[in-house]
Amino acid sequence: GDSVTQMEGPVTLSEEAFLTINCTYTATGYPSLFWYVQYPGEGLQLLLKATKADDKGSNKGFEATYRKETTSFHLEKGSVQVSDSAVYFCALSDRGSGTYKYIFGTGTRLKVLA
Amino acid sequence: DAGVIQSPRHEVTEMGQEVTLRCKPISGHNSLFWYRQTMMRGLELLIYFNNNVPIDDSGMPEDRFSAKMPNASFSTLKIQPSEPRDSAVYFCASSPSGAGNEQFFGPGTRLTVL
Repeated sequence: GDSVTQMEGPVTLSEEAFLTINCTYTATGYPSLFWYVQYPGEGLQLLLKATKADDKGSNKGFEATYRKETTSFHLEKGSVQVSDSAVYFCALSDRGSGTYKYIFGTGTRLKVLA
Repeated sequence: DAGVIQSPRHEVTEMGQEVTLRCKPISGHNSLFWYRQTMMRGLELLIYFNNNVPIDDSGMPEDRFSAKMPNASFSTLKIQPSEPRDSAVYFCASSPSGAGNEQFFGPGTRLTVL
């Protein structure tokens, strides 16, 4: 079945450091890929998405490129801020198998130190 | 737009009591999801509806859990009887149908079963 695997946290970085959170997926169809962010005490909210191979999603300085050849959707940011401290979830939605279902990764906690 | 509305925001109850969580999705969204989030198990999909019809309830942990969607603007998740291991944050999310569409999460209901 479909699945999403993302790197375990927590990830601790200093302010202005470069961030990479790895995400790989398996899917039977042609999934759309998403990154969601969850700030403390809140629900998840969409950070960025990509719906087809080679698409790049971007938002708030974060980027991720849909790589079909490596089945990956790694999240990157060139210079993190303390306000980026949150839990990040990679997710897919598979539209090729006749069902519409979201699969979330386990989440990666990011802590940015001033 | 008010977003997804959940009530109550916090619920504290005693073991054996019935608990009902409520959700109002965003108007016009025809997919609705119930999730449970805990530190141990992360984010789990319990059930999802499309056009008010339950499509996949394989994540519902046991018969003590039930969910209904009597109309497009209201859904409930009921636990009867509740147990301490049901303590978690329960999220409702809604989405337009279609795999490329994001889910919009509510603020969650924090349930504590004593």
